[in-house]
Amino acid sequence: DIVMTQSPDSLAVSLGERATINCKSSQSVLYNSNNKNYLAWYQQKPGQPPKMLIYWASTRESGVPDRFSGSGSGTDFTLTISSLQAEDVAVYYCQQYYSTLITFGGGTKVEIK
Amino acid sequence: EVQLLESGGGLAQPGGSLRLSCAASGLSLSTYAMSWVRQAPGKGLEWVSVISGSGGSTYYADSVKGRFTVSRDNSKNTLYLQMHSLRVEDTAVYYCAKDGLSGNDYSYYFDYWGQGTLVTVSS
Repeated sequence: DIVMTQSPDSLAVSLGERATINCKSSQSVLYNSNNKNYLAWYQQKPGQPPKMLIYWASTRESGVPDRFSGSGSGTDFTLTISSLQAEDVAVYYCQQYYSTLITFGGGTKVEIK
Repeated sequence: EVQLLESGGGLAQPGGSLRLSCAASGLSLSTYAMSWVRQAPGKGLEWVSVISGSGGSTYYADSVKGRFTVSRDNSKNTLYLQMHSLRVEDTAVYYCAKDGLSGNDYSYYFDYWGQGTLVTVSS
């Protein structure tokens, strides 16, 4: 199985400041034939199901604010919240879909400092 | 509007069985692979199983293989998860999730999720 490792486990950021979450896969999730990274990011608020933010590592889902961006390739990926808002307090997960056996990262909890 | 509504959760004894359902509205499930994803209390997300749009292909996480069976009834627009030989560690909220791309045999990313149904395995 592809192991997804997120860091940090949690972070506290001041309102309006940048939040950066890292995700590393145990093997590359870049599919060479189409040059796409098979990686998605989700946001989960307490008591709610996850919400998709980013897919193909950097494509923002419709309706997701542009302060959310995804980057990276191969095995190393980043989710950036450019200017943290109060409503962004949540746990964020990365997910690989390169393998039919899908795996998620352990999650990163984002709080307000 | 796409909606996914899970049901069937509850309390089961170790070694027992439960069947979960996921009723879809606002879309035709037959076009999409559908997955089950679970989340133990206070823990992260764990993918459980996927079934293709036609129902002809299924995949399972090692933790549930041989005990859980995913199926679908496209005429009822409903997804199922039959769970046997339940263990305490199967306790979780179970979500059904729709694939973000149509026409595939397995899931890619998930663009719609249900609200989840809680399964508690305890004696």
